[in-house]
Amino acid sequence: TQLLEQSPQFLSIQEGENLTVYCNSSSVFSSLQWYRQEPGEGPVLLVTVVTGGEVKKLKRLTFQFGDARKDSSLHITAAQPGDTGLYLCAGWAISSGSARQLTFGSGTQLTVLP
Amino acid sequence: ETGVTQSPTHLIKTRGQQVTLRCSSQSGHNTVSWYQQALGQGPQFIFQYYREEENGRGNFPPRFSGLQFPNYSSELNVNALELDDSALYLCASSLDRRGYTFGSGTRLTVV
Repeated sequence: TQLLEQSPQFLSIQEGENLTVYCNSSSVFSSLQWYRQEPGEGPVLLVTVVTGGEVKKLKRLTFQFGDARKDSSLHITAAQPGDTGLYLCAGWAISSGSARQLTFGSGTQLTVLP
Repeated sequence: ETGVTQSPTHLIKTRGQQVTLRCSSQSGHNTVSWYQQALGQGPQFIFQYYREEENGRGNFPPRFSGLQFPNYSSELNVNALELDDSALYLCASSLDRRGYTFGSGTRLTVV
């Protein structure tokens, strides 16, 4: 069982559409991060959210951390083909067994068609 | 500043063999974490090294082992390779667990 569940697993949309990717857990996280990964490359950090309810914007990307710090969402406005990639959420869970490791979600593969 | 460098980029091994993967951490970083990533999936935590000592381990068998050197570079060793070990192996360095920087990974294929 994944500590962080992402949905949807796959998403294929047309250029210009909006989309939201979700990252959910039953555990509380001290912080959550979102990464984007392209084929043949390692994940690249997009943002870190720390405070429950926090909202951060990065151009057309909006990230939100849930009030209870158990979930997060990534919203992309007017998607472009360059947004195509594997989106990963990751965080440090507040539990003794996994506090030292950065745990990743299952990933959302986004394809934006021109 | 240099980023995280992993070598080799690709590797093909036979079942039962042993493999060593290498990682040079970003300048100034003292923590290295290793992850295994299957195609289209999220990375799975293998273990982490902080100042040359193992500082956390995921659900991987003992045949996965590692080292961190005084210059904070690191090695991942896998003994008795199995077909399911085929994956992208990622190394990430950080300073005191903040701001992970990932390398491009080593693609291991076990045949």
